[in-house]
Amino acid sequence: EDQVTQSPEALRLQEGESSSLNCSYTVSGLRGLFWYRQDPGKGPEFLFTLYSAGEEKEKERLKATLTKKESFLHITAPKPEDSATYLCAVQPTSGTYKYIFGTGTRLKVLA
Amino acid sequence: TAGITQAPTSQILAAGRSMTLRCTQDMRHNAMYWYRQDLGLGLRLIHYSNTAGTTGKGEVPDGYSVSRANTDDFPLTLASAVPSQTSVYFCASSVEATWANVLTFGAGSRLTVL
Repeated sequence: EDQVTQSPEALRLQEGESSSLNCSYTVSGLRGLFWYRQDPGKGPEFLFTLYSAGEEKEKERLKATLTKKESFLHITAPKPEDSATYLCAVQPTSGTYKYIFGTGTRLKVLA
Repeated sequence: TAGITQAPTSQILAAGRSMTLRCTQDMRHNAMYWYRQDLGLGLRLIHYSNTAGTTGKGEVPDGYSVSRANTDDFPLTLASAVPSQTSVYFCASSVEATWANVLTFGAGSRLTVL
């Protein structure tokens, strides 16, 4: 069964304290893996798409990486404004409209 | 600002009543989706439409219906609401319903069924 698991569920960091969020997935074939950011009371906002193992994408303090079984979202020297829930989603090769979302990691960065 | 507009922002509804959640996009995206988001369960697909005039069932379609009369609008109707439909509902769209398209989400509609 296709599945996406994110860890940890919640993470508290001091400002400047780098860390990584994990997204483990099990799919028969991968079309793409997505990272989204969701602020309280808002819809998810797109961050990155990764397509194949070894691929990396960067945006400001965020860097996403992909292996055959998991993806990491690395946050370098985070700031309080990075506080949000980070969602991972995969689109398997089976089913055009199917995006499987993880339950997210709630990140809190303290000043 | 281009994007997706959802209405209402929040609503309290008595069980057994009907309700339509509205969704309009101005990006001329072909594909549109309705998700519900529940604590601990992540986003789950209710219904989708890959182009105007067509719709399909997602992972949790029971108790919901949709229509896609034109490209821009994709309303979600609850014919007879039940408490288990209490959730936050997100409308989303993508350019096409094909290879690894990015989803653009609306701000959500919070529905409470009592």
